[in-house]
Amino acid sequence: QQQVKQSPQSLIVQKGGISIINCAYENTAFDYFPWYQQFPGKGPALLIAIRPDVSEKKEGRFTISFNKSAKQFSLHIMDSQPGDSATYFCAASRGGGADGLTFGKGTHLIIQP
Amino acid sequence: DTAVSQTPKYLVTQMGNDKSIKCEQNLGHDTMYWYKQDSKKFLKIMFSYNNKELIINETVPNRFSPKSPDKAHLNLHINSLELGDSAVYFCASSQDYEEKLFFGSGTQLSVL
Repeated sequence: QQQVKQSPQSLIVQKGGISIINCAYENTAFDYFPWYQQFPGKGPALLIAIRPDVSEKKEGRFTISFNKSAKQFSLHIMDSQPGDSATYFCAASRGGGADGLTFGKGTHLIIQP
Repeated sequence: DTAVSQTPKYLVTQMGNDKSIKCEQNLGHDTMYWYKQDSKKFLKIMFSYNNKELIINETVPNRFSPKSPDKAHLNLHINSLELGDSAVYFCASSQDYEEKLFFGSGTQLSVL
């Protein structure tokens, strides 16, 4: 059972455009929703995270939108740059839970110059 | 200084062998994890250790065993390696559960 569903699997965006990646979760006990960025040959690195008490969080060009009733959250990358080309993973976990992070299957993002 | 370091970076071995992957973190974190990333890049948690105590044990074969000599180290031992064990294994750490995970650079295991 896949608890966090991520789409699209791959995405090509022109430089300067907006990249949008979507995730949906099933477990209503989840209360922490991070996004991780992974470059080839490297481990994932935390990009931005949100908790369900807010509907949006912005850090620089990266924004998370969160819809608790729909059990969905999305990552928006404004003014996308070639250096943003990477694999992006959404994830979810229960607060204080020992289950660790449940990851989506990842989105391979390519920003064309 | 590397926050989470794992060795080796590449590991090529024959089916049936026993191998170990080492992980060390210098962040003073209480919790360490092992994640497996398959060929389709899907990341799945295998184990976590909190204060030297195994907290999570997902449905992984018992051929895999984590060993933590102290809270800065979490090694992964794999017995009787199988072709399906080929993947990238990531060590990670965090201060308590959830919150920010710091990942190592991964160990690419190839079983021939």
